[in-house]
Amino acid sequence: KNEVEQSPQNLTAQEGEFITINCSYSVGISALHWLQQHPGGGIVSLFMLSSGKKKHGRLIATINIQEKHSSLHITASHPRDSAVYICAVVIQGAQKLVFGQGTRLTINP
Amino acid sequence: SQTIHQWPATLVQPVGSPLSLECTVEGTSNPNLYWYRQAAGRGLQLLFYSVGIGQISSEVPQNLSASRPQDRQFILSSKKLLLSDSGFYLCAWSRRRVNQPQHFGDGTRLSIL
Repeated sequence: KNEVEQSPQNLTAQEGEFITINCSYSVGISALHWLQQHPGGGIVSLFMLSSGKKKHGRLIATINIQEKHSSLHITASHPRDSAVYICAVVIQGAQKLVFGQGTRLTINP
Repeated sequence: SQTIHQWPATLVQPVGSPLSLECTVEGTSNPNLYWYRQAAGRGLQLLFYSVGIGQISSEVPQNLSASRPQDRQFILSSKKLLLSDSGFYLCAWSRRRVNQPQHFGDGTRLSIL
């Protein structure tokens, strides 16, 4: 079993829909990242959080440390949101990231 | 502002040939540096990380090695490439302090023939 599990693996939605991507982890962490990977491969860091909730534009990330679960939400989704979204955790006491398998999101116009 | 440069963007190499991928960071000092690989259809995996010049930690045994000859330069190498070395290689950096976000390069897509 992977230390970081994401669901769903693939998600297709219509423009304007509210999107939720989930991440569960089984290890103690000091922080969690949400990353966005576009078709060319480049990765952009969206959020890093260790508690509560963060919002940036139409993106919202939440984390529940007790339940070892995080969600990434996209409001009013747009075709340009189409990408692979990756959850990654920082293992407690280490500086390295452990990644989920990613969620491939496709937003159709 | 800080920037990270990684090259080449794509590379096609025959089996058994050597490899050298370079990553440099500008605008910061004493960064932590990382090499990741993403094999086809799989998630990202940490290969090496470095907290200082000449200090390299390897996460998985493999056909690759890493070096940090200068503070802001991180090199991924192989003496003889295998087919299984194909993949997308990403370099990243972060500040030394605890719980700092990592910043990624644009990646190198390596195909072994």
